[in-house]
Amino acid sequence: QKEVEQNSGPLSVPEGAIASLNCTYSDRGSQSFFWYRQYSGKSPELIMFIYSNGDKEDGRFTAQLNKASQYVSLLIRDSQPSDSATYLCAVRTGLNTGFQKLVFGTGTRLLVSP
Amino acid sequence: NAGVTQTPKFRILKIGQSMTLQCTQDMNHNYMYWYRQDPGMGLKLIYYSVGAGITDKGEVPNGYNVSRSTTEDFPLRLELAAPSQTSVYFCASSREGRGNQPQHFGDGTRLSIL
Repeated sequence: QKEVEQNSGPLSVPEGAIASLNCTYSDRGSQSFFWYRQYSGKSPELIMFIYSNGDKEDGRFTAQLNKASQYVSLLIRDSQPSDSATYLCAVRTGLNTGFQKLVFGTGTRLLVSP
Repeated sequence: NAGVTQTPKFRILKIGQSMTLQCTQDMNHNYMYWYRQDPGMGLKLIYYSVGAGITDKGEVPNGYNVSRSTTEDFPLRLELAAPSQTSVYFCASSREGRGNQPQHFGDGTRLSIL
């Protein structure tokens, strides 16, 4: 079982719709969860992080975390063509002491059509 | 505000050649990382450093070496380049390696071994 799993996509949504990106993880001790956006040929850039169960909103983005189900998601409201990118889920694993590695999923490619 | 700077951006090497990928950060971050990203794959940790003079292996360290003589610089050395090392290499840094501290990425080095 992969440590962090994402559907590779592509996920196609029309402009203005809600895009829902999902991620599951295997380590129950995971503490922090990050969403990065990566445009083709570019480096990953941080969108959001979440560490408590529930929802966290930042503009058009909402991260949702359910530790019991080991599930984290990213919702993008009012999707724009400029949101077309690969979205990487990253999970910080291990105990809350010392170095904790950040494990990345393979990413979900999002395509927003005008 | 430069952040994390990587050089070179592109490089073609012949099998058996050696080279050093440079990485420097100006955010006074203690933690630095080297990842490789193969097409359709997530980021794999090669080496990381928790401070000057301290380095440790990540997931895929074979064929690479690192050093950390200063807080700012974290070069990655490839000895005896092999085609399997063709990849995009990202350097990242963070304030620390646990909790909610995000990693900030450089623009990457695209390396081809022929």
